[in-house]
Amino acid sequence: EPEVTQTPSHQVTQMGQEVILRCVPISNHLYFYWYRQILGQKVEFLVSFYNNEISEKSEIFDDQFSVERPDGSNFTLKIRSTKLEDSAMYFCASIGVLATYEQYFGPGTRLTVT
Amino acid sequence: GENVEQHPSTLSVQEGDSAVIKCTYSDSASNYFPWYKQELGKGPQLIIDIRSNVGEKKDQRIAVTLNKTAKHFSLHITETQPEDSAVYFCAASLPGNQFYFGTGTSLTVIP
Repeated sequence: EPEVTQTPSHQVTQMGQEVILRCVPISNHLYFYWYRQILGQKVEFLVSFYNNEISEKSEIFDDQFSVERPDGSNFTLKIRSTKLEDSAMYFCASIGVLATYEQYFGPGTRLTVT
Repeated sequence: GENVEQHPSTLSVQEGDSAVIKCTYSDSASNYFPWYKQELGKGPQLIIDIRSNVGEKKDQRIAVTLNKTAKHFSLHITETQPEDSAVYFCAASLPGNQFYFGTGTSLTVIP
């Protein structure tokens, strides 16, 4: 069964450093999302991406964040200058061609900012 | 924006009993309501969903009900098994497909 994959599974970085989280959505999916989940809290929407541009973003997704689809398979989230409060699980998700609403989530990347 | 509340935050049931988790939402424009199961160290997995034109949906031991007027929806798990133990999240989606998640319910099924 096709699945969303994410790398790395765990990233440790120092405050102020840039990090790039990578996702490979399900092949042929066209709608992509990033969410984050701070330990013990709810999953929060960050950004959605369609047709090579951001379609919607939340208040959390400030100028420190950016997304990119550099090729036909990868979807990346970049945090330019990490802060301690960026420590969280980051999940990528995708929706299929017919936009059937069902979002398929990857296993997540645990980001730890020290 | 949308606000999704979920109760209870923790739930313990004996194996074989039923478990019910409830969610409310605030935006009447929301029209899609999925439920996700999250096991330790994994991403959320869709287990069942319901759209606003349907009042109830069932898939084996899992069912979801939706009351659009009251803006609440519930997950029902019957004949619970130890492998049902996980964190369950409800979510509501506006037509733009942005998902708003509830705070999660940690379900423990006691053998």
